[in-house]
Amino acid sequence: ETGVTQSPTHLIKTRGQQVTLRCSSQSGHNTVSWYQQALGQGPQFIFQYYREEENGRGNFPPRFSGLQFPNYSSELNVNALELDDSALYLCASSLKGGGQETQYFGPGTRLLVL
Amino acid sequence: AQSVTQLGSHVSVSEGALVLLRCNYSSSVPPYLFWYVQYPNQGLQLLLKYTSAATLVKGINGFEAEFKKSETSFHLTKPSAHMSDAAEYFCAVKPGGGADGLTFGKGTHLIIQP
Repeated sequence: ETGVTQSPTHLIKTRGQQVTLRCSSQSGHNTVSWYQQALGQGPQFIFQYYREEENGRGNFPPRFSGLQFPNYSSELNVNALELDDSALYLCASSLKGGGQETQYFGPGTRLLVL
Repeated sequence: AQSVTQLGSHVSVSEGALVLLRCNYSSSVPPYLFWYVQYPNQGLQLLLKYTSAATLVKGINGFEAEFKKSETSFHLTKPSAHMSDAAEYFCAVKPGGGADGLTFGKGTHLIIQP
């Protein structure tokens, strides 16, 4: 069974640029959630994708957007990068059903915005 | 809305001593509760979860947690600490049946002294 994978592992961007992060869900999972973890903080929920549509969103501006593909993999796009976007971005996959689905996390992508 | 409070950003115990990490939650509906562990430069690994079955939940690596509705708590314990337990621990809540993502506490850094 393949776990959640994310790419790239590290990324350095300049303020104002755009970035795309990628996530492959665990085998058998159909839902992907994205989180932002600033240094020394707990992860914060960005949004969730199910059946290729956004299925819930946290308190993040529209410049954070995403996609889910038919194979359940997902992308997180961030436009007009700001210094405060520097963080570890975590992807989690789960199998939707009954509300108690457990989220399994990937290793994350560490983004540094200069 | 839901929230999680983890008491103590740092907890230090001696090897072989009891580990107790505290988590209190608030949720407008019956919650699902999770503990995750994060080792340096890694993603989150699920330790255990409460999904309204048994109130005492056993997880991996000898950890367990007890759901106490009257105290709105879900404290994590381990009878005997090992050096390998040194890591960051996060408590998370998800409202039952909701499409939202997990809400995490700020984390507790567990230090094991030899």
